[in-house]
Amino acid sequence: GESVGLHLPTLSVQEGDNSIINCAYSNSASDYFIWYKQESGKGPQFIIDIRSNMDKRQGQRVTVLLNKTVKHLSLQIAATQPGDSAVYFCAEGGGGGNKLTFGTGTQLKVEL
Amino acid sequence: GAVVSQHPSWVICKSGTSVKIECRSLDFQATTMFWYRQFPKQSLMLMATSNEGSKATYEQGVEKDKFLINHASLTLSTLTVTSAHPEDSSFYICSGAVSTYGYTFGSGTRLTVV
Repeated sequence: GESVGLHLPTLSVQEGDNSIINCAYSNSASDYFIWYKQESGKGPQFIIDIRSNMDKRQGQRVTVLLNKTVKHLSLQIAATQPGDSAVYFCAEGGGGGNKLTFGTGTQLKVEL
Repeated sequence: GAVVSQHPSWVICKSGTSVKIECRSLDFQATTMFWYRQFPKQSLMLMATSNEGSKATYEQGVEKDKFLINHASLTLSTLTVTSAHPEDSSFYICSGAVSTYGYTFGSGTRLTVV
């Protein structure tokens, strides 16, 4: 069936470096993509989203890039901090209250 | 912002008993609520979609008679795990559709069946 997958299950970065987390999606009909951060024992926390009619969107220290040609999504975190350590999920959906499909997740570890 | 309050945060129950998990939307009307299950070190898997006042739509492979969902009001949705067994031990998370492109998640419920 349709799925959203990640290339790297674990990513270790030095504090202060930039982090890039990747995601591949397979449903070309998806028009809405979200990145979530999940800390241990907690629910997902919204980070940033992007619509399919956009290629890039920036937030505070985070940037999401969408490449529809190769069905690829990435999350860039600038100046990674220890508090950024968590599991990051991409999710895709059709909008309008439709269900989200989550990727497999990437564990981000920030080393001091 | 929109908040979904989920309770309990953790629960331990004996095999064969039932457990109810509640999710309340505190400052918005949750017409649609999604229920997910998450096993350790795995992703969120959608179990069912519930719409206020109607029957829930379950994903393939999810037993509707085992995982009872009630969404009788715009502010409350419940998931009851009936006749729980150790393999049902998991992290259950609800999510409310706030707007066309907005979703807010509960804090999750850690269920342990012994």
